[in-house]
Amino acid sequence: DAGVIQSPRHEVTEMGQEVTLRCKPISGHNSLFWYRQTMMRGLELLIYFNNNVPIDDSGMPEDRFSAKMPNASFSTLKIQPSEPRDSAVYFCASSLQGSRGKLFFGSGTQLSVL
Amino acid sequence: QQQVKQSPQSLIVQKGGISIINCAYENTAFDYFPWYQQFPGKGPALLIAIRPDVSEKKEGRFTISFNKSAKQFSLHIMDSQPGDSATYFCAASMGNTNAGKSTFGDGTTLTVKP
Repeated sequence: DAGVIQSPRHEVTEMGQEVTLRCKPISGHNSLFWYRQTMMRGLELLIYFNNNVPIDDSGMPEDRFSAKMPNASFSTLKIQPSEPRDSAVYFCASSLQGSRGKLFFGSGTQLSVL
Repeated sequence: QQQVKQSPQSLIVQKGGISIINCAYENTAFDYFPWYQQFPGKGPALLIAIRPDVSEKKEGRFTISFNKSAKQFSLHIMDSQPGDSATYFCAASMGNTNAGKSTFGDGTTLTVKP
């Protein structure tokens, strides 16, 4: 199994630009989570999906952030417009319903907004 | 509101020693308590997990101790090795509800000196 695949691994962009982060969950997993990791705030849950449906987006910091899951094998997290304070590592994780929250994380996208 | 509190923030242990990391939770609805290990540049990876109906779980050199009445749990790493140097996160989830949504502690950076 290839695990959770995220792209790109690194993204450097300028303030105001649109950023799209991508995630392919483990085949067969039906829950998908987007986390953000910073030194100041640790691992924060942004949004999660169950069976492709957004369940809880209360962690999305503001309207500049949006996430979609058009099918079971793909999800995107979009930031538009990006700001320097969005600089962080963004992780995607997936789990199998019934696995009691056993999360499998991707390697993350290191985002730098200049 | 931080629902999972983790300590210490950092820990330095000599090779062969015991590393102990502690976590406390508030929400008694949590029923699954995993520990994740994260190496630089990688996503967190599940290390070991426990359910509240047992007081201890051991896997190799790693042991979770769980105190339900005190709402605390801890990770013990026996015979710590330099390869164990990583950041460790405790987490708590409500198992099969909320799609296994997990709340993470702030992390502990462990350094094992040779």
